[in-house]
Amino acid sequence: DAKTTQPTSMDCAEGRAANLPCNHSTISGNEYVYWYRQIHSQGPQYIIHGLKNNETNEMASLIITEDRKSSTLILPHATLRDTAVYYCIVRVGYGGSQGNLIFGKGTKLSVKP
Amino acid sequence: GAVVSQHPSWVICKSGTSVKIECRSLDFQATTMFWYRQFPKQSLMLMATSNEGSKATYEQGVEKDKFLINHASLTLSTLTVTSAHPEDSSFYICSAGTGRGRYGYTFGSGTRLTVV
Repeated sequence: DAKTTQPTSMDCAEGRAANLPCNHSTISGNEYVYWYRQIHSQGPQYIIHGLKNNETNEMASLIITEDRKSSTLILPHATLRDTAVYYCIVRVGYGGSQGNLIFGKGTKLSVKP
Repeated sequence: GAVVSQHPSWVICKSGTSVKIECRSLDFQATTMFWYRQFPKQSLMLMATSNEGSKATYEQGVEKDKFLINHASLTLSTLTVTSAHPEDSSFYICSAGTGRGRYGYTFGSGTRLTVV
């Protein structure tokens, strides 16, 4: 699987948008971009995934550049409960039968009052 | 949908004893489950891939005789830490593959193992 690069940590003010970048310059054409987050001492939680089009769901928006070499996860109105480590992962396919998820170090997002 | 239940949430055991951790898919069948380990302030490290009805595939450096994995049904995988030692103390997390887009990988809530 392609490697990703994320900033180690970021701060965000409560109520503001949190924009978390991810570089995946060696992504292949059939690899998806996944975002998960892990709140302290819990299992990772799925946020969103995409292939090449921008995606939005009830949790977040995913913006993927046209060349697919980078993406940004946007939490539109961050709350204190969004404080977590956010992982950007790229891999082939989107089903469990396609293999496992490899986690990097992620970005520790701290939402401050 | 796509809920994975992991039990227990935390366990303390004496050095030399064995501990079993269960991972259940509640509303879907999981032909593949994954076991991760996470040490403090580190990322998740894949330990093994568990396939229903067959032997698990272990990552390099993970002792298969120490970390026994059984995936006897489509809804249950177990990880047994045998002869646990303090260095096995960690956060263990399971994940199940659903084969369905959004729910491609669903994670359990994790098990905090402390070996004293």
